[in-house]
Amino acid sequence: NAGVTQTPKFQVLKTGQSMTLQCAQDMNHNSMYWYRQDPGMGLRLIYYSASEGTTDKGEVPNGYNVSRLNKREFSLRLESAAPSQTSVYFCASNTYRVGATDGYTFGSGTRLTVV
Amino acid sequence: QQQVKQSPQSLIVQKGGISIINCAYENTAFDYFPWYQQFPGKGPALLIAIRPDVSEKKEGRFTISFNKSAKQFSLHIMDSQPGDSATYFCAASDLYDTNAGKSTFGDGTTLTVKP
Repeated sequence: NAGVTQTPKFQVLKTGQSMTLQCAQDMNHNSMYWYRQDPGMGLRLIYYSASEGTTDKGEVPNGYNVSRLNKREFSLRLESAAPSQTSVYFCASNTYRVGATDGYTFGSGTRLTVV
Repeated sequence: QQQVKQSPQSLIVQKGGISIINCAYENTAFDYFPWYQQFPGKGPALLIAIRPDVSEKKEGRFTISFNKSAKQFSLHIMDSQPGDSATYFCAASDLYDTNAGKSTFGDGTTLTVKP
């Protein structure tokens, strides 16, 4: 039972390069999320997908785009990377329905450095 | 506007002592309050969670105390062990947000338990 799988685990980009962070879950969860973690700033929501076919902006969406490819996969794309996007990126998923949830299951993260 | 404020930022406790981490929230629509534990190089993992219909929830050495009128909740770790050394995040979400059960996180507390 793999849970939430993120690839790659590490990446170094040059300013202006693009890349896609991949996330897949095998728990049949309906909702998926992308967070970034920066020292002293906790986890901030970038984008989320409440269900297959829908995506919405979170707290810090600028410079990112997402695709909910199917129920299992939710990718995050940086079109033109900037040093301010150096961070650790976490994908998470959960089963959500109005009035109930089971909490998040997180992936192990992608450590991204933009130089 | 930070909706979940967590304190302290760091905490050092002797083995066998009690660790206490506090969180305060502003949004009265929040009705689900989980705590996550994160070890270095790993993603956060759900530790324990509470709904506002109870004032306390205990799982092993971990207890959440919840004060709805004060809009505060706290994590107590009894008989703290060196293996509890990790970063702890509180979070809050509105389960009647029909768009998704997305969580807002505190900034995290780094706990060190000295042997």
